[in-house]
Amino acid sequence: KAGVTQTPRYLIKTRGQQVTLSCSPISGHRSVSWYQQTPGQGLQFLFEYFSETQRNKGNFPGRFSGRQFSNSRSEMNVSTLELGDSALYLCASSSDGLGPQHFGDGTRLSIL
Amino acid sequence: QKEVEQNSGPLSVPEGAIASLNCTYSDRGSQSFFWYRQYSGKSPELIMSIYSNGDKEDGRFTAQLNKASQYVSLLIRDSQPSDSATYLCAVSKEAAGNKLTFGGGTRVLVKP
Repeated sequence: KAGVTQTPRYLIKTRGQQVTLSCSPISGHRSVSWYQQTPGQGLQFLFEYFSETQRNKGNFPGRFSGRQFSNSRSEMNVSTLELGDSALYLCASSSDGLGPQHFGDGTRLSIL
Repeated sequence: QKEVEQNSGPLSVPEGAIASLNCTYSDRGSQSFFWYRQYSGKSPELIMSIYSNGDKEDGRFTAQLNKASQYVSLLIRDSQPSDSATYLCAVSKEAAGNKLTFGGGTRVLVKP
């Protein structure tokens, strides 16, 4: 069974640009969550989507947004990039509400 | 007070010994508890999940949960150099959907 697939693996952007990250969950999983990992703040929850609906949102500014498609694939968008947005962005999927979450390899975003 | 607290380490253990990792959480409503292992430069990998008080064993790993004390631990028996990694404790509750709240992680070093 294929795992969680995130693309791209690496991304370099400049301040003010926007970026879209993609996540394909494990087949059959309907919940997709996004996390940001930085050395200073650790792993922080961004938002979760379940059956195309945002079910929960973390404490991030509105520049961070996401969506989920009918095939459960999800995208995350960050607009007006700031230096502090440099991080590893992780996507995790689970089959339902409280099941264990499995992470993809992440997208490492660097802002110049 | 952080929601989920872990000793950052490093926890240095000799090969073959037992590594004992601790995690405390502040939200008494937490219902699901997870341990993830993260190698440097990699994404978190789920190694244990526990939902009720007591012990749960899986191979060389044992998770222990005490909801009254708001405490969850992970024991790694017969530690191997390949166990050297950062171990992340995560908790969730139904009211928060699939949001995982992570501790800062404990770095474990297994010395041959």
